[in-house]
Amino acid sequence: SQQGEEDPQALSIQEGENATMNCSYKTSINNLQWYRQNSGRGLVHLILIRSNEREKHSGRLRVTLDTSKKSSSLLITASRAADTASYFCEGGSYIPTFGRGTSLIVHP
Amino acid sequence: DGGITQSPKYLFRKEGQNVTLSCEQNLNHDAMYWYRQDPGQGLRLIYYSQIVNDFQKGDIAEGYSVSREKKESFPLTVTSAQKNPTAFYLCASIRTSGIGTGELFFGEGSRLTVL
Repeated sequence: SQQGEEDPQALSIQEGENATMNCSYKTSINNLQWYRQNSGRGLVHLILIRSNEREKHSGRLRVTLDTSKKSSSLLITASRAADTASYFCEGGSYIPTFGRGTSLIVHP
Repeated sequence: DGGITQSPKYLFRKEGQNVTLSCEQNLNHDAMYWYRQDPGQGLRLIYYSQIVNDFQKGDIAEGYSVSREKKESFPLTVTSAQKNPTAFYLCASIRTSGIGTGELFFGEGSRLTVL
């Protein structure tokens, strides 16, 4: 079973707009992580948020975590065409599992 | 520079042939994982190994085999028993002490096509 499920499955925006994607998970976590995958490449770690944190920032990325709702969101501000990729969350589990991700397309 | 290397990047196989995908890491990570990704899909876990000479089946292990003779290496063999092997294969690793707290490092993937 997958620990993280992303929503929406696809997101299409214009350059300069903000992109928000959500993640829901099933069991308790110690941390939650977001990854990015460019087409035909491996996943790259973006950011980790611990269970005792509610919000974390890294450059144009903002991650929130609501452990009571078992959900997280990733916000990319002022998006760029280079942000076009798939984004995955993972609940920091002993056996990492992934959902289908959110496919983000940023139009120039 | 430390990292995780997969080879080959592209591989073509005739039906009935076994093929082996290589995964090597120099990060001194204890745990390694193999995932399969189909178009528009998430990653599905094939096999994982947390220590040398030990490995466990994931969700879709049928038709695949692995070995973990060295800490650095975790090759995946796609056997002829795998009925639909055309896919993108990803290898990943993590520090054992980092499980649940650290990040996974991924290779660049191997794309297998059955002719």
